[in-house]
Amino acid sequence: DTGVSQDPRHKITKRGQNVTFRCDPISEHNRLYWYRQTLGQGPEFLTYFQNEAQLEKSRLLSDRFSAERPKGSFSTLEIQRTEQGDSAMYLCASSQAGGPKNIQYFGAGTRLSVL
Amino acid sequence: TQLLEQSPQFLSIQEGENLTVYCNSSSVFSSLQWYRQEPGEGPVLLVTVVTGGEVKKLKRLTFQFGDARKDSSLHITAAQPGDTGLYLCAGEAGAGSYQLTFGKGTKLSVIP
Repeated sequence: DTGVSQDPRHKITKRGQNVTFRCDPISEHNRLYWYRQTLGQGPEFLTYFQNEAQLEKSRLLSDRFSAERPKGSFSTLEIQRTEQGDSAMYLCASSQAGGPKNIQYFGAGTRLSVL
Repeated sequence: TQLLEQSPQFLSIQEGENLTVYCNSSSVFSSLQWYRQEPGEGPVLLVTVVTGGEVKKLKRLTFQFGDARKDSSLHITAAQPGDTGLYLCAGEAGAGSYQLTFGKGTKLSVIP
């Protein structure tokens, strides 16, 4: 069990560019979540998948954001036409459905800086 | 919209002192989780509480879930410099919603 893996760890981009982040969950976990964390704040929920189905989306997820989990394993989060306000830590978490506790385990995050 | 208020936001104490961090809401949660986060890293799970009134101990850390499942506390006994970090509480609403609602966190500094 290697834990939740995120790539890249850091991304610097210019305003208007597109960026894509990848998340590999813990292998037996069928739920995958994306959160965003800005400086001085706790993480905020963006979206969640169960297997390949995207089941919840936050109002924070504007139409410039798209997330996929095509085979129910890894997931990608793409941000199109980045803005300076998109600068944040993007966190991925995974959990296993079933049981009394839905414990979410987090990756180390991808820190995005938009110049 | 569910909100979690954490207090205090910042805490600086001497090694050996005790402290308590609070997490409060007007909403009921099916479970509540406490995480610790280091700068530049993701949150690391400390404990999950699911039953109202539940108390869990993890070495010098004691976690309590309120009877009404709306609030929680984290108590650290004899704090050590290694306890320094950002402590986050997060609640899950349940009823088919699995997203976590986080508090803003408590930044703890333990001075040797």
